[in-house]
Amino acid sequence: SQTIHQWPATLVQPVGSPLSLECTVEGTSNPNLYWYRQAAGRGLQLLFYSVGIGQISSEVPQNLSASRPQDRQFILSSKKLLLSDSGFYLCAWSTGTGSSPLHFGNGTRLTVT
Amino acid sequence: DAKTTQPTSMDCAEGRAANLPCNHSTISGNEYVYWYRQIHSQGPQYIIHGLKNNETNEMASLIITEDRKSSTLILPHATLRDTAVYYCIVRVANTGNQFYFGTGTSLTVIP
Repeated sequence: SQTIHQWPATLVQPVGSPLSLECTVEGTSNPNLYWYRQAAGRGLQLLFYSVGIGQISSEVPQNLSASRPQDRQFILSSKKLLLSDSGFYLCAWSTGTGSSPLHFGNGTRLTVT
Repeated sequence: DAKTTQPTSMDCAEGRAANLPCNHSTISGNEYVYWYRQIHSQGPQYIIHGLKNNETNEMASLIITEDRKSSTLILPHATLRDTAVYYCIVRVANTGNQFYFGTGTSLTVIP
């Protein structure tokens, strides 16, 4: 069966520091991969998605970037964190075929201080 | 880009059926209806999806009206663990089309 791993679960970082969040998927090949962010008390905002290695689409211009160095690995990064980057970051995958649903990881709660 | 309207919050008595409505009056013929739920501090969990016909799985039933302008997610026997935010999403089944979440319905199951 397919599983998705996200780490770390929680992270506290000072303003101006770099960020790297990693997500990996097991049990499937060539998945579509996604990064979402959820601010406190808000809905989910799609940040980036990828349909293949090296292929990244950005939904919202911001202080973040994403990379997909391997088929089942998706990384969210920032060179310098802002206070507004605080939130709950969620990685998700789908097979990308037909009506296949999204499956989410357990998320990373990032607090920028 | 959410194309759905859901009530902000609902209560349901434990053991009773929870019926969560979703309005998607502008849905197009090739858009599916998906339901997710999110328990506090966890990632959203996929529940069910459908196109035209009603669907049922081990978690819930999805009732889609004949004109497809609305749907209802039914949790047949709500438990306290069903307390969560429930999201209704419409999406064309195509790899280039994304899942856009609205603010959902906060369901509270009351003992």
